[in-house]
Amino acid sequence: AQSVAQPEDQVNVAEGNPLTVKCTYSVSGNPYLFWYVQYPNRGLQFLLKYITGDNLVKGSYGFEAEFNKSQTSFHLKKPSALVSDSALYFCAVRAAYGNNRLAFGKGNQVVVIP
Amino acid sequence: DGGITQSPKYLFRKEGQNVTLSCEQNLNHDAMYWYRQDPGQGLRLIYYSQIVNDFQKGDIAEGYSVSREKKESFPLTVTSAQKNPTAFYLCASSIDRLAGVNEQFFGPGTRLTVL
Repeated sequence: AQSVAQPEDQVNVAEGNPLTVKCTYSVSGNPYLFWYVQYPNRGLQFLLKYITGDNLVKGSYGFEAEFNKSQTSFHLKKPSALVSDSALYFCAVRAAYGNNRLAFGKGNQVVVIP
Repeated sequence: DGGITQSPKYLFRKEGQNVTLSCEQNLNHDAMYWYRQDPGQGLRLIYYSQIVNDFQKGDIAEGYSVSREKKESFPLTVTSAQKNPTAFYLCASSIDRLAGVNEQFFGPGTRLTVL
């Protein structure tokens, strides 16, 4: 079964500083990896995905993520955080050969301090 | 949230009552999903459907039922058998997997509270 671990409950960062949200995964075979963001009382918005190819994936709103197969990680990064980046971030994984079912992590609350 | 609508946004239910949450999409997606979100637990899959008139149980299907009579609609019924139904419910859809690896698009959610 596939699973995702997001080890930190909350990430605090000062505005303008780099932001990193950690994600490690477990899956049989090759993974497909996704990051989503959720604002209060809203649905999830897609940020980016890794399927194959370049380990550094660029997504929406200046976010990027680095796939590391040996460490089974897919950390989300942003070089300079904005106050508007304060939200709940979810990492998700599915197996490359299988149905579309995603396994989600429990989420990380990001707080960007002005 | 564009393309997927959920209604109502807030729903209150008395214990012992069944309620139905609506999910409609105009994205022409084949697959649709229902998730439950509880604080600190992430999203858990209730049911999913990859094609009309077919659906499969997810990880926490007990106390829930679904139907998929039309491609654009995937209503979820929370029955009285669900012991702890208070949660935020999210509907999602995606293009069929045979068309490539496609992300899921989410609706705005329905917050269900049992009184």
